[in-house]
Amino acid sequence: DGGITQSPKYLFRKEGQNVTLSCEQNLNHDAMYWYRQDPGQGLRLIYYSQIVNDFQKGDIAEGYSVSREKKESFPLTVTSAQKNPTAFYLCASSWTSGEQFFGPGTRLTVL
Amino acid sequence: QQQVKQSPQSLIVQKGGIPIINCAYENTAFDYFPWYQQFPGKGPALLIAIRPDVSEKKEGRFTISFNKSAKQFSLHIMDSQPGDSATYFCAASIRGGSNYKLTFGKGTLLTVNP
Repeated sequence: DGGITQSPKYLFRKEGQNVTLSCEQNLNHDAMYWYRQDPGQGLRLIYYSQIVNDFQKGDIAEGYSVSREKKESFPLTVTSAQKNPTAFYLCASSWTSGEQFFGPGTRLTVL
Repeated sequence: QQQVKQSPQSLIVQKGGIPIINCAYENTAFDYFPWYQQFPGKGPALLIAIRPDVSEKKEGRFTISFNKSAKQFSLHIMDSQPGDSATYFCAASIRGGSNYKLTFGKGTLLTVNP
């Protein structure tokens, strides 16, 4: 069953904690992306990676970090430096210059 | 600076109506314009996409109209159904470049009443 999986579905973070969101794909896509979605704001790009061991900042990278050690995996860490992390986080993947396919999302809430 | 402006923010139609969602872009280098459909609590799914070398594209009940000179494109949903109730996002990108970054509009919440 091919696709993109994100875990966990719901995540709660205390003030000052770092948390890591998982994204895995078995579509053999080269590129992977992280977006943040807030009500009325659309999707905003946090980070993207076109190849293993390489990634670039998107429009709102401050307070986030990523790694791309494997083609299938692109985890996102929300650090304590991110002042307003409560949001719906979406991971996507694509062939280079291909259609982007999205995962089911992780809803992060700060307690 | 918002590069893709989407309107309206929300839209309510009756079953069988034809909702129209509009988007305008600024960057003339954009050459790929997809529309995504998102249901509550789910990730967006690609609905239909168009390139600027055509003025219209139809897939089932969904039609994209494209006006290159006005830098505008729109989504029409024919014979809308309650199951079409979702949030719709337009987007734009430059596919010929070395990366593939989508710029999204802010979304339109569509409600189709029975």
